[in-house]
Amino acid sequence: DGGITQSPKYLFRKEGQNVTLSCEQNLNHDAMYWYRQDPGQGLRLIYYSQIVNDFQKGDIAEGYSVSREKKESFPLTVTSAQKNPTAFYLCASSVQGANTEAFFGQGTRLTVV
Amino acid sequence: KQEVTQIPAALSVPEGENLVLNCSFTDSAIYNLQWFRQDPGKGLTSLLLIQSSQREQTSGRLNASLDKSSGRSTLYIAASQPGDSATYLCAVRGIKAAGNKLTFGGGTRVLVKP
Repeated sequence: DGGITQSPKYLFRKEGQNVTLSCEQNLNHDAMYWYRQDPGQGLRLIYYSQIVNDFQKGDIAEGYSVSREKKESFPLTVTSAQKNPTAFYLCASSVQGANTEAFFGQGTRLTVV
Repeated sequence: KQEVTQIPAALSVPEGENLVLNCSFTDSAIYNLQWFRQDPGKGLTSLLLIQSSQREQTSGRLNASLDKSSGRSTLYIAASQPGDSATYLCAVRGIKAAGNKLTFGGGTRVLVKP
């Protein structure tokens, strides 16, 4: 089945630790996105990539890093510099261009312990 | 800066009643508007995509309208069922938005009571 796969579904991070969230898509989409969802705040864009080996900061990039070495993969690292990382993280992809539909993965819930 | 608002934040209706969900946005310069459904703890499922040149889009019991000039979209769900209980989010893809990103509303949480 074509789609977007995020793993793991649940992730626990200790203080001062970096963790990486995986996002893989087999839709042959050029554009990929990472959003963060907090209760009552809607979704906010962290990073996006429109082509392999290129990515741009979104609205809340501080404390996060990404890479885009392959078209199908866009991993997100939550670094120790992110002071409030507990949230639900969603990965999305779309065909390149403006008039396109976005598709989302099932999300990763990250909790700081 | 584009802002998207969904009112009410929560809605409860008896089964069989029609649902009307509202979405408003401040900048009418958009490429399209997308409605999503989100179940608790899950990702977003795309319901309908309306291009800026369209007035409405239909899929089964769902109908979405778009009035770009007034910055409004409405999602209608006919003959609601308990399985329609979920959070519904709208998002716009603004012409001025970097990276063709989506700007989301806060969502409307819907409960359909049997």
